[in-house]
Amino acid sequence: SQQGEEDPQALSIQEGENATMNCSYKTSINNLQWYRQNSGRGLVHLILIRSNEREKHSGRLRVTLDTSKKSSSLLITASRAADTASYFCATDAGNQFYFGTGTSLTVIP
Amino acid sequence: DAGITQSPRYKITETGRQVTLMCHQTWSHSYMFWYRQDLGHGLRLIYYSAAADITDKGEVPDGYVVSRSKTENFPLTLESATRSQTSVYFCASSEDPGDGYTFGSGTRLTVV
Repeated sequence: SQQGEEDPQALSIQEGENATMNCSYKTSINNLQWYRQNSGRGLVHLILIRSNEREKHSGRLRVTLDTSKKSSSLLITASRAADTASYFCATDAGNQFYFGTGTSLTVIP
Repeated sequence: DAGITQSPRYKITETGRQVTLMCHQTWSHSYMFWYRQDLGHGLRLIYYSAAADITDKGEVPDGYVVSRSKTENFPLTLESATRSQTSVYFCASSEDPGDGYTFGSGTRLTVV
């Protein structure tokens, strides 16, 4: 399966701390994307990184990609209670993206 | 309103019944997708469509039928619902999948 796998499955931190979650995948990719899902809602696209990029920033988000290790990480800096959500990586196979099972992040105020 | 809407938001149906979940997007995006989300499995692709009248199977297509006669609509039909199809179903659209998807709010389907 192309499906990515996020690690850890669950993460609980204090507000203001940084949160890091990882994604590993199995086959070569063109793009890797990260999404956020608040409880009971649809997924929201956060950031995309292409296979020829190693790092990308968007506000408090930093994504890295290591194609040799087939892994990516998402760092959320200075976390807020509103960051509490599940985070998914998605890897491409042609025009389809395959999602992992997600990391559940809880930020404690 | 612009966006992607799914209906109904919640649905309870009986085993063996046919049920159709609706998805409508207002951007005229070429690509549309149906995923199901289950605990422990993440999101799994059921079907996708690259344009009107073009559909293709994803990871878990068995028991589902789709059609795309108009660009803006992509209904998903469960021909004979089974309890294993109890799930949350998400529709998504994109003009270029490489730039990311926009998801609907989901339909929570319970088959009893």
